[in-house]
Amino acid sequence: DIVMTQSPDSLAVSLGERATINCKSSQSVLYSSNNKNYLAWYQQKPGQPPKLLIYWASTRESGVPDRFSGSGSGTDFTLTISSLQAEDVAVYYCQQYYSTPIFTFGPGTKVDIK
Amino acid sequence: EVQLVQSGAEVKKPGESLKISCKGSGYSFTSYWIGWVRQMPGKGLEWMGIIYPGDSDTRYSPSFQGQVTISADKSISTAYLQWSSLKASDTAMYYCARPMVRGVITGGFDYWGQGTLVTVSS
Repeated sequence: DIVMTQSPDSLAVSLGERATINCKSSQSVLYSSNNKNYLAWYQQKPGQPPKLLIYWASTRESGVPDRFSGSGSGTDFTLTISSLQAEDVAVYYCQQYYSTPIFTFGPGTKVDIK
Repeated sequence: EVQLVQSGAEVKKPGESLKISCKGSGYSFTSYWIGWVRQMPGKGLEWMGIIYPGDSDTRYSPSFQGQVTISADKSISTAYLQWSSLKASDTAMYYCARPMVRGVITGGFDYWGQGTLVTVSS
């Protein structure tokens, strides 16, 4: 089974500053036949279901602000919030969908305002 | 507008059975898989399993195989998650979610239900 890890567990960033979250998979989620990374990022605010931010590791979901970006390939991925806003306080999860039907989530990273 | 609307919160005793639901609308219900995700209090997201309402093909996470049953009734565009004998450790929020790619188990989950809180306590 693919195991997903995230770092840090939590971080506090000043408003307007950059937040960076890392996600690592125990094996590559890059599908060689189409050169796509089978990885998504979600944002979950308290009392709400998760919201899809990024899929295929770097494609932003419709309506997601462009301050959110995803990068990486193979086993190492990053979600970057370029200029943190108050409404970005949330827990962020990565998820692999390479080894379907098992969709493994990372443990989450909590983002707060410093 | 695509919507997944889940049934309301439940309070049950250990040993009781339960079936919660997720009704899809605004899209072709039989053409997309629907999955279930558990979130225990204060914890992260856990993948439970997924069903294709078109033919009821169902796959489970090994962690949940034999512990729950996933089903669907395509005539009323509703997916279900059920337990035959609840335990206190089943206390959690349960979400249904739809993969973004039609007909295939892949891609991020772009639509989520609002969640159903299940509390199991004696």
